[in-house]
Amino acid sequence: DTGVSQDPRHKITKRGQNVTFRCDPISEHNRLYWYRQTLGQGPEFLTYFQNEAQLEKSRLLSDRFSAERPKGSFSTLEIQRTEQGDSAMYLCASSPGGFLAGDGPSYEQYFGPGTRLTVT
Amino acid sequence: KQEVTQIPAALSVPEGENLVLNCSFTDSAIYNLQWFRQDPGKGLTSLLLIQSSQREQTSGRLNASLDKSSGRSTLYIAASQPGDSATYLCAVRLFNTDKLIFGTGTRLQVFP
Repeated sequence: DTGVSQDPRHKITKRGQNVTFRCDPISEHNRLYWYRQTLGQGPEFLTYFQNEAQLEKSRLLSDRFSAERPKGSFSTLEIQRTEQGDSAMYLCASSPGGFLAGDGPSYEQYFGPGTRLTVT
Repeated sequence: KQEVTQIPAALSVPEGENLVLNCSFTDSAIYNLQWFRQDPGKGLTSLLLIQSSQREQTSGRLNASLDKSSGRSTLYIAASQPGDSATYLCAVRLFNTDKLIFGTGTRLQVFP
């Protein structure tokens, strides 16, 4: 068990460019989450998956954001036409969750190291 | 709308002190509460998870309590050490969702 991994760890991009981040959850964790954290704030929820199904999306996830988990393993988060306000730490987490949203035992979420995005 | 507040925002103490960090939430209908530690520029490390039916959890020098009726949780750190210096975040999970709602954190510095 190597923990949740994220790639890249740092990304600097120019405004208007597209970026894609990858998250590899702990093996056999069927739930995967994306959060965004700006400086001095706590993380804010973006979206989460149960296997390949995207179960919930935040209003923060504008049309420029898209997340996928095509085979129920790794996930990607893409931001199109980046803006300076997108600069933040993007955190991924996983858990061995239940089968329905909010169902089942209450598991911990395990976080990865994050991807720091800077939009210039 | 659930809001999570942490007090104090920052704390600086000498090594060896016992500490209490506070977390309050506005909606008592929570499923669980989780405490995390975050080192500068890093991801989050889970410290303790308290189910809604529990009153406290302990791990080593850490003890977390939960009082749902008053909308409060406290994280007690015994005999603080410089290695405890980090930001401590609490997060609540509501029923019918798996997302966590975080507070803004308490930045702790323990000096020798």
